[in-house]
Amino acid sequence: QSALTQPASVFGSPGQSITISCTGTSSDVGGYNFVSWYQHHPGKAPKLMIYDVSNRPSGVSNRFSGSKSGNTASLIISGLQAEDEADYYCSSRTSSSTLVFGGGTKLTVL
Amino acid sequence: QVQLQESGPGLVKPSQTLSLTCTVSGGSISSGTYYWTWIRQHPGKGLEWIGYIYHSGDAYYDPALKSRVTMSVDTSKNQFSLNLSSVNAADTAVYYCARAAATPYKFDFWGQGTLVTVSS
Repeated sequence: QSALTQPASVFGSPGQSITISCTGTSSDVGGYNFVSWYQHHPGKAPKLMIYDVSNRPSGVSNRFSGSKSGNTASLIISGLQAEDEADYYCSSRTSSSTLVFGGGTKLTVL
Repeated sequence: QVQLQESGPGLVKPSQTLSLTCTVSGGSISSGTYYWTWIRQHPGKGLEWIGYIYHSGDAYYDPALKSRVTMSVDTSKNQFSLNLSSVNAADTAVYYCARAAATPYKFDFWGQGTLVTVSS
């Protein structure tokens, strides 16, 4: 199972909105609504930010949102803050009932 | 608040078996519909799903690793474990344990991760 495709890096200024894409196939992202997004500050435990494409866990800021179109899922962060600087990973269920992650995107807040 | 903590050797010799344990606190490993999962991250790379085990002992592994992976659960100690046999340098990674709730596809709690290096 190949990893989902994410941009290696994304840049944004405080207050701006950014979008991180996650592209798979009809056997994973396109076939199921089990797409999740994780925020990872190196050295710390990853944090679930979005699950089932567009649902936010309790306690996650509403500045984070998710969507999906075809084989591509997206994480949108609005009102960018310095604390949002981190690595972001998407994941999706596959047709084999396994899980595949994206390669990760490093978000830099300028 | 549920917490997970990985433990085990940080250095394993090639061809040997990597063994890690995840201790769960703040909740019972036996309660609810949870999938106790292992995930790894190779240096400078993305995350890789290894598989999960249910409190009953039923397990599901990634096909690419299935021949070398065994997971187990000890409900009396609130722990679950990973054994990866015949390791080589490509198994060097940070290993995370995590809890998936309701479905095996979203992880609401993670451990901090532990680096395992395979080297002679």
